[in-house]
Amino acid sequence: DIVMTQTPLSLSVTPGQPASISCKSSQSLLHSDGKTYLYWYLQKSGQSPQLLIYDVSSRFSGVPDRFSGSGSGTDFTLKISRVEAEDVGVYYCMQGTHFRTFGQGTKVEIK
Amino acid sequence: EVQLVESGGGLVQPGGSLRLSCAASGFTFSSNWVTWVRQTPGKGLEWVANIKQDGSDKYYVDSVKGRFTISRDNAKNSLYLQMNSLRPEDTAVYYCARDAFHNGIDYWGQGTLVTVSS
Repeated sequence: DIVMTQTPLSLSVTPGQPASISCKSSQSLLHSDGKTYLYWYLQKSGQSPQLLIYDVSSRFSGVPDRFSGSGSGTDFTLKISRVEAEDVGVYYCMQGTHFRTFGQGTKVEIK
Repeated sequence: EVQLVESGGGLVQPGGSLRLSCAASGFTFSSNWVTWVRQTPGKGLEWVANIKQDGSDKYYVDSVKGRFTISRDNAKNSLYLQMNSLRPEDTAVYYCARDAFHNGIDYWGQGTLVTVSS
């Protein structure tokens, strides 16, 4: 099974400042079709997870461009260029190369 | 608007059974994979199972193989999860979601709580 490890587990950010979350997989997420299937989700308090990023770096419909994803192989990063109050919640990475596995989550709060 | 509404959760004793349902609308259900994901305070999010458009392919996480069965009724735009031999560690909020396969799990329901306890 592919294990996904996120760091840090919690993050306190001043509004307007950047934030970065790391996600590492226990094996390469490069699929035999040549693509890499890594996703990012945000779960706000009391809500279901919402898709932010798919295929490492593509923003889902309606996701602000302050969110960006990058990485390859086993190392991936979600960056928020300027954190806003509405970005508070728990962020999860998920791999889709071999079934689906989620990271343990990173809680983002505002200072 | 894509909507997924789960039902069927509740309290069940260890060893018991429960059937979850999910009613889908706002998209062509028969053209999409659909999936179940569960969430526990201790283990976070865990993908449980998914099923192909016509029901011909089904996949499960190892921890539920042989106990859970995913199925669908495209005529009713509905997804199901039959859960047998339930264990306390199956206690979780169960989400139904549209699975865009390589484009990720893109729309989620609000979830239904399953509690396995004596």
